[in-house]
Amino acid sequence: LAKTTQPISMDSYEGQEVNITCSHNNIATNDYITWYQQFPSQGPRFIIQGYKTKVTNEVASLFIPADRKSSTLSLPRVSLSDTAVYYCRGGGFKTIFGAGTRLFVKA
Amino acid sequence: DGGITQSPKYLFRKEGQNVTLSCEQNLNHDAMYWYRQDPGQGLRLIYYSQIVNDFQKGDIAEGYSVSREKKESFPLTVTSAQKNPTAFYLCASSILRDAVGGNQPQHFGDGTRLSIL
Repeated sequence: LAKTTQPISMDSYEGQEVNITCSHNNIATNDYITWYQQFPSQGPRFIIQGYKTKVTNEVASLFIPADRKSSTLSLPRVSLSDTAVYYCRGGGFKTIFGAGTRLFVKA
Repeated sequence: DGGITQSPKYLFRKEGQNVTLSCEQNLNHDAMYWYRQDPGQGLRLIYYSQIVNDFQKGDIAEGYSVSREKKESFPLTVTSAQKNPTAFYLCASSILRDAVGGNQPQHFGDGTRLSIL
């Protein structure tokens, strides 16, 4: 089964850029790497997905190196409302969701 | 608006009782999933279904059962055999794979919190 490894927690201040890196093993050749955000007592919400190189949308950027063994989620200029748990996931139906990275943004 | 609806938001189970958690989606997704989340933990896959009338066990299926009689519905029953059912249960759906076979993002409901009386 594809598993991921992320830092357990990170702290940041409002207005800073935050980069969260995830390591993936056993990711299949045709699987995307997907990042989710979860607030307490809510379901995870899709943030961004990519296959390789760089993807950018209105809320984040995703950097994936050529070997696809890791990915980095970049959140530009975080605010207090970005305090949440962030999960990376790479793989098919039975891919494990890890414990995620708890990001705490301080004023 | 399209989305996934889980009900109820809170549920209490008595000893020896089976309870059923509802999950409905109007996204026309083929695949549906059930996860369990314990405090401070990630999501663990209970069951998933890729097509109507078919479903597969996930990593922690013991003590749970599901059915998929309709594309839009995937109810989860927590049976009395599940000795530690207190958790946050999340339902999700997705399209199966895109044209190149890549996995697609999952859309989640807002969960059902189950507790034992």
